[in-house]
Amino acid sequence: RKEVEQDPGPFNVPEGATVAFNCTYSNSASQSFFWYRQDCRKEPKLLMSVYSSGNEDGRFTAQLNRASQYISLLIRDSKLSDSATYLCVVDQTNAGKSTFGDGTTLTVKP
Amino acid sequence: DVKVTQSSRYLVKRTGEKVFLECVQDMDHENMFWYRQDPGLGLRLIYFSYDVKMKEKGDIPEGYSVSREKKERFSLILESASTNQTSMYLCASSGPGQGDYEQYFGPGTRLTVT
Repeated sequence: RKEVEQDPGPFNVPEGATVAFNCTYSNSASQSFFWYRQDCRKEPKLLMSVYSSGNEDGRFTAQLNRASQYISLLIRDSKLSDSATYLCVVDQTNAGKSTFGDGTTLTVKP
Repeated sequence: DVKVTQSSRYLVKRTGEKVFLECVQDMDHENMFWYRQDPGLGLRLIYFSYDVKMKEKGDIPEGYSVSREKKERFSLILESASTNQTSMYLCASSGPGQGDYEQYFGPGTRLTVT
């Protein structure tokens, strides 16, 4: 079993739709959680950290459920520019060594 | 802005050649990482380093070595390149004081071994 698992998709949604991605992790000692975004042929970039209390950044909401060991990303009012691969990232040591999920591909269509 | 640069965007090498991939960051980060990214396999950690002259094996270190002689530079070495090392190689850095240890990635080197 992989340490971090994501539904690979692809998710194809129309503009304006709400879409949610889930990610599960196996190590209960995991301490820090992130969502990264990777555009086609580009490097990954941090989208947002995920806090226990949940956090929101504009149209994006991240949630953490430690008991069930999963994190989620909700995108509201999808834009064409949201088309990308979203990577779930889990850090066990709190010292920057992270495990990346394989990513979930999102395509937003007009 | 944090900047992570990699020596080449594209590289073609022959089987058995020794390959050096260089990575330089300009934010005085303590931590540096080398990953490879393959379709269907995601990003996999090869080696990482928490300080100068320190190195730790990641999940797939076989066939690779690293060198960190200066804080800003982290080199990945393929001692004898093989075709199964054809991949996208991504370098990243992170450091305390950046909040949640956000990793900053370089643009990647696409290595083809023939």
